[in-house]
Amino acid sequence: SQTIHQWPATLVQPVGSPLSLECTVEGTSNPNLYWYRQAAGRGLQLLFYSVGIGQISSEVPQNLSASRPQDRQFILSSKKLLLSDSGFYLCAWSVAGGVFFGPGTRLTVL
Amino acid sequence: GENVEQHPSTLSVQEGDSAVIKCTYSDSASNYFPWYKQELGKGPQLIIDIRSNVGEKKDQRIAVTLNKTAKHFSLHITETQPEDSAVYFCAASRDSGNTPLVFGKGTRLSVIA
Repeated sequence: SQTIHQWPATLVQPVGSPLSLECTVEGTSNPNLYWYRQAAGRGLQLLFYSVGIGQISSEVPQNLSASRPQDRQFILSSKKLLLSDSGFYLCAWSVAGGVFFGPGTRLTVL
Repeated sequence: GENVEQHPSTLSVQEGDSAVIKCTYSDSASNYFPWYKQELGKGPQLIIDIRSNVGEKKDQRIAVTLNKTAKHFSLHITETQPEDSAVYFCAASRDSGNTPLVFGKGTRLSVIA
C-alpha cells in the first residue's frame, strides 16, 4: 500500500532563516505531487504541483520554491522566511485519480 | 479557473441527527468531486468521492450527491456520532483528479452528545 511521509512534523524558525521541508511517497510510481498550505482556521491553498521529476508548476508567486529531485521526493524551500509563511504545510500525491495527503508540517515563523 | 463555494462554514447537530454540507462549482469541465475530513492537527483524509458519470454514491453513513446541471454537490452524514466532529472540505477538479484540486473553504461540524 501507499504511504506518504513528511518531516519535520513541527518547526519554529526565525524570520529571514532558510526552510527545507521534505515529502516522500512509498508504494507507487510516477505520482503527481502537490504542496498545499493551510493558514490557521482557513482553507487549502495550492502552492506547487509536479507531474514528474524536475517538472514544477507554481500556483502562487511568493518566496517559496519547490523541487522534485527524485520520482517520489518533493521538497519545499525558502531562502528567507517571512512571518506570513507561518502555517500548516501539506504534501499530497495522486495517481489516476484520488488525492491523498500527508500528516503535514506545522511551521511557525517568529 | 475553477471556484468552489462551500456552505455552511459551521454546523452543529445533535448526535444521531443528519448533517448536510453543500458545495457549488463554476467550471463545467470539472468531473471529479472528493470530500475530505480533517481532524485537528492532521492532514485531510479522503472520505468519499464522486465522478461526473454518477449522481449519487454511498458508503455506510456517508453519501454524496451530484447535480451537474446546477453544478452543485452535497455531503450527507446520517446518524452522526461525536467522532464525526471535524472540518470537512469539498473539492473539484478536471481530468478525474489528475489536475490539481480546488477546495472549498471548509465546514466545521460539531456533533453534540
